[in-house]
Amino acid sequence: GEDVEQSLFLSVREGDSSVINCTYTDSSSTYLYWYKQEPGAGLQLLTYIFSNMDMKQDQRLTVLLNKKDKHLSLRIADTQTGDSAIYFCAGGGGSYIPTFGRGTSLIVHP
Amino acid sequence: SQTIHQWPATLVQPVGSPLSLECTVEGTSNPNLYWYRQAAGRGLQLLFYSVGIGQISSEVPQNLSASRPQDRQFILSSKKLLLSDSGFYLCAWSRLQNTEAFFGQGTRLTVV
Repeated sequence: GEDVEQSLFLSVREGDSSVINCTYTDSSSTYLYWYKQEPGAGLQLLTYIFSNMDMKQDQRLTVLLNKKDKHLSLRIADTQTGDSAIYFCAGGGGSYIPTFGRGTSLIVHP
Repeated sequence: SQTIHQWPATLVQPVGSPLSLECTVEGTSNPNLYWYRQAAGRGLQLLFYSVGIGQISSEVPQNLSASRPQDRQFILSSKKLLLSDSGFYLCAWSRLQNTEAFFGQGTRLTVV
């Protein structure tokens, strides 16, 4: 099955850029996803990238995909305190079951 | 539009008591359904998934079970809760052939 690895914590200053990284093992995922989980809530889809793309930009969010290295990253420009949350990357793998990393806790401080 | 409902939001249960968490999806048919558990400070652990009525796949052997009595209803159960069952339980659904998952708001279960 798919293994998805993420660093557990990231701390940034408000206004700086945040980069959250993820590596995965299964290259058959059609889409790769980033979810955001605010405290005590479920996960919400933040953005996704199709596996034949290298980059996708959506307002303050930039997703980069390096298929050769099986590396996915999420860049948040001008990070705000409201961006503090846990961010999960996820892929589908060949079985179409969402497989999630352990999540990266983003802490934004003034 | 599609919505997913999960209840209750919080639950405190004694050790050895039974459990029943319910999840329903509206606005779609034949969804893939999932139960995840998120222990404190840890990632999502897939517990069960279902691709159709009465079809349940278990990812982790434990004292929990799942059932899908109707197309858009997914139930997580236990006959006797353990302390280690405490956690945040999330129900989710996705369309067949597409793994974008839509999550419920979660149930915070505390076993005391």
